[in-house]
Amino acid sequence: GQQVMQIPQYQHVQEGEDFTTYCNSSTTLSNIQWYKQRPGGHPVFLIQLVKSGEVKKQKRLTFQFGEAKKNSSLHITATQTTDVGTYFCAGDLNSGNTPLVFGKGTRLSVIA
Amino acid sequence: GAGVSQSPSNKVTEKGKDVELRCDPISGHTALYWYRQRLGQGLEFLIYFQGNSAPDKSGLPSDRFSAERTGESVSTLTIQRTQQEDSAVYLCASGLAGGLNEQFFGPGTRLTVL
Repeated sequence: GQQVMQIPQYQHVQEGEDFTTYCNSSTTLSNIQWYKQRPGGHPVFLIQLVKSGEVKKQKRLTFQFGEAKKNSSLHITATQTTDVGTYFCAGDLNSGNTPLVFGKGTRLSVIA
Repeated sequence: GAGVSQSPSNKVTEKGKDVELRCDPISGHTALYWYRQRLGQGLEFLIYFQGNSAPDKSGLPSDRFSAERTGESVSTLTIQRTQQEDSAVYLCASGLAGGLNEQFFGPGTRLTVL
């Protein structure tokens, strides 16, 4: 079936290093959303990207949507221990007529 | 305002027993989703409700799993004859209809089948 692939599965970084997770779809996405799940918590919405080539920033987080609307990335600059958690992308493949397809997530560990 | 609530927060059951998990969505949210998350794994889509109809049941892993929703309110996920592989956190999310709307997740029910 249609999938949204996310890499890497795990990432361990030293505090202060940068981090990037990538999301790829085999089909064009109507939009893409990103969620963060802290250890022991539940996923929390971060942002949504709709337009081709869109770039949005939230403090140290930069989200990009590819020109072809088939890929997306989340980049964190100068990671902090509060960034620890699993980051999920979720793609809308059918303009809201079918549920979002979640990637398997990237688990980020930050070593102080 | 209140978020999505789920009950129970934890459920321990014996293999072969039936369990019922409850989700109370945010008032006014027409869309409701159930996911399963095994330890350290991603979100496994189970079922989606739009109002009280379920246009997408494709994720239900077997006929032991079923779900209902009353109007645009409470939903229950029932697992019959539980197996050890059913052990996981079951997450419910609600949202407004359409893919342009974020999903609000509940805290989940941690199910342990002994």
